[in-house]
Amino acid sequence: DGGITQSPKYLFRKEGQNVTLSCEQNLNHDAMYWYRQDPGQGLRLIYYSQIVNDFQKGDIAEGYSVSREKKESFPLTVTSAQKNPTAFYLCASRRESNYGYTFGSGTRLTVV
Amino acid sequence: GQQVMQIPQYQHVQEGEDFTTYCNSSTTLSNIQWYKQRPGGHPVFLIQLVKSGEVKKQKRLTFQFGEAKKNSSLHITATQTTDVGTYFCAGRVTGGGNKLTFGTGTQLKVEL
Repeated sequence: DGGITQSPKYLFRKEGQNVTLSCEQNLNHDAMYWYRQDPGQGLRLIYYSQIVNDFQKGDIAEGYSVSREKKESFPLTVTSAQKNPTAFYLCASRRESNYGYTFGSGTRLTVV
Repeated sequence: GQQVMQIPQYQHVQEGEDFTTYCNSSTTLSNIQWYKQRPGGHPVFLIQLVKSGEVKKQKRLTFQFGEAKKNSSLHITATQTTDVGTYFCAGRVTGGGNKLTFGTGTQLKVEL
């Protein structure tokens, strides 16, 4: 079955450490997105990529970095510069501009 | 920047009652999408509306897009416990590229 796989499901990080969240899709979608969701709140866009080797900042890109070396993969690195990284991180992909997003099951990051 | 607000933030209903959530944008939208997120889960795409004044139905769910393309609503008739979750609208700003801005969400609880 096609879909988006995010790993790990839960991640604990010590303050001052960088961590990388994985996002892999086998849907052959061109566009991929990273969103952050805080408890009881909506989704905020961190970064997005519409094509391999290209990506753009979203609304809250500070303290995060991404890469898009392969169509299937769009990893997100949460750096130590991110002041409040504890959140639920969702990766999504989209086939074309007028289609809905397909989301992965998310990664819950906790800073300890 | 563009903001998409939803009201109410929370709604508790008795099973069998109707439910409506409203979505309002500060700018004109080229289209609007609706998603459902079950507790502990990830958002799942429900539908997309594109035309001014468009109305679409999915069984007990009715979606509307306003004439000015700045607001939308989701109405559920005779709620069931399976309707529990958070409903998000997400809009694409006209001329704003391929970014979706998500609304703040409405959390629905259905009691027997």
